[in-house]
Formats: sequence, C-alpha cells, structure tokens
Amino acid sequence: DTAVSQTPKYLVTQMGNDKSIKCEQNLGHDTMYWYKQDSKKFLKIMFSYNNKELIINETVPNRFSPKSPDKAHLNLHINSLELGDSAVYFCASSQDWVGSEAFFGQGTRLTVV
Amino acid sequence: SQQGEEDPQALSIQEGENATMNCSYKTSINNLQWYRQNSGRGLVHLILIRSNEREKHSGRLRVTLDTSKKSSSLLITASRAADTASYFCATDAEDSSYKLIFGSGTRLLVRP
Repeated sequence: DTAVSQTPKYLVTQMGNDKSIKCEQNLGHDTMYWYKQDSKKFLKIMFSYNNKELIINETVPNRFSPKSPDKAHLNLHINSLELGDSAVYFCASSQDWVGSEAFFGQGTRLTVV
Repeated sequence: SQQGEEDPQALSIQEGENATMNCSYKTSINNLQWYRQNSGRGLVHLILIRSNEREKHSGRLRVTLDTSKKSSSLLITASRAADTASYFCATDAEDSSYKLIFGSGTRLLVRP
C-alpha cells in the first residue's frame, strides 16, 4: 500500500482553468504538507496542516486553496491557473511536527499551457 | 529565505568511490534531515540528526552535524549506480516547527 498517494500524477491544462490535486495518507499522521518544486528542483513549502487545521500558509496566492476534510486527506485546489503555476507539487505527511521524518507522495506534474 | 545551501550542486563519481555532499544553513535548528529524490519521483527520507548529535550512521550513509559552523555533510560510502539521485538537506524553520526548509540539492551521478 502506498503511504502517501496523490492524484493525478500528470495534469496538463489551459490558463484560466481551475484544477484540483488530491492527497491521501494511510500512515495515521497528524501533519500534512504541500510543497512546490520548480524547474530548478527547488522545493518550497506552501501549506502545513495539523489535525485538519491550517498551520502554515507560506504567502501563497489566494488562488491556491487547500482543503482538509479529515486528518488523512489534504487536497489542493487551484483557481485561474497561470503559466507560472507549472511545477511539480508534492504532498507529504509526518507524525507530528518536523522533528520526525516526512513521507512524500510521488508528485503531480502540473503543466499550464 | 532559503535555509539550506548544498555544495556541490552536481557531483559525478565512479561506482565504488565515496560521495560527500555538504549543506549549510543560516539559523539555529532543532534537527536536520537528508532526503533522496530519484528522477521523476518523490523524496525519500534517509536520515535525521538532532542538534545535540554530531554524527549518525545508517548503512552506507554517514551524516555529521556541526552546529557551530551551521553545516552538515552526507557521506555515501562505496557508491553504487543506484545511488544516482538528487540529495537534499532539510531543516526545521526558526519561526515554525511545522515546515521543513529544503536546500537546493546536490545531483549525484554514479557512473557504472
């Protein structure tokens, strides 16, 4: 069983569209994250959730809205997609705070055309 | 601002050789972690070292931490072609325990 799974793996869409990426973890972790990896492989935190509550919003545009219906899920909805949103988005989870190892999903490669 | 900087950016070695990657960070930390990312895949946790530890081993991996110099190194001994990947260090942020700050990564190529 995959510990952290995100769907879809690839997403190609036109500018202006709205899209969602889903993430689920079956590890029983309390904390979940969304990271963005740009073309230079630089990873940047976007959001952190702990027990379904938003802890970190790292100055991400309002077009990005995370939703955590329960501890095991953290979905990412993006409105009005822009070319600059093209990147690989990773979901991750950890038992609690960053003092424990994080488990990453396989990533969603988003291409906005 | 980015917490960790890795050095070198890219490293190419022959199978069997040792690979050393360095990471520097800017602020005080509680722990430092190393991750591996194979091409097109997610990150995999390798090792976590706490601020009160100086050295840690896991199989062919050896990690050191020097908090006075705000630096860490990852040594992979007897490298294999399968070690080819990008390696990232990550630290907890000074202002929050709920985010990992990643370095820029070292791309390691192990030639068979």
